[in-house]
Amino acid sequence: NAGVTQTPKFRVLKTGQSMTLLCAQDMNHEYMYWYRQDPGMGLRLIHYSVGEGTTAKGEVPDGYNVSRLKKQNFLLGLESAAPSQTSVYFCASRRLSSGGSGETQYFGPGTRLLVL
Amino acid sequence: AQSVAQPEDQVNVAEGNPLTVKCTYSVSGNPYLFWYVQYPNRGLQFLLKYITGDNLVKGSYGFEAEFNKSQTSFHLKKPSALVSDSALYFCAVRDMGGDSSASKIIFGSGTRLSIRP
Repeated sequence: NAGVTQTPKFRVLKTGQSMTLLCAQDMNHEYMYWYRQDPGMGLRLIHYSVGEGTTAKGEVPDGYNVSRLKKQNFLLGLESAAPSQTSVYFCASRRLSSGGSGETQYFGPGTRLLVL
Repeated sequence: AQSVAQPEDQVNVAEGNPLTVKCTYSVSGNPYLFWYVQYPNRGLQFLLKYITGDNLVKGSYGFEAEFNKSQTSFHLKKPSALVSDSALYFCAVRDMGGDSSASKIIFGSGTRLSIRP
């Protein structure tokens, strides 16, 4: 199993450009999450999905959109990139059952985004 | 509102000495608590969690954490530090508010652990 993979690994954008970050998981997990990591702020939840075809806003959703057309994929879109979106983006997934081992989230390796 | 705090930005320990990384939490109801580790240029890896049961939880790489309800703490510990333990450590709590079915996690700001040879 590859686990959770993210593409691309690194990207440089100019202000106003758009891009899509792809997250894929091969563990048949129901839940998927997008976070951003900034120095001194830990990880903050952008959007999440509790199943195919469903998405919801997290703590910092402004400027981002997401889609979950297939269970294994969770896409994060930036329609018009801004320098404030310079960050490291992590995707995570977990399985449906709550309690015990079901609570563990599995993370991808991250995408480093620089917006000039 | 649920929250978690890591009061130390950095912890420095000599190899072979015991280490503690502190975490305090604020939740309504019974907490689900986690520790994750991040090595340079990598994603987060799960270390251990407390859901219920024994207050002392054992996890990966020889780490353990003690749940203390009266002090609302969940400190990460290891009896003898290794240089390879140097990494960024995150404490986290499950968000029980709002859409609790989504099992969202709230992360602390992280503590950088540095183990010197």
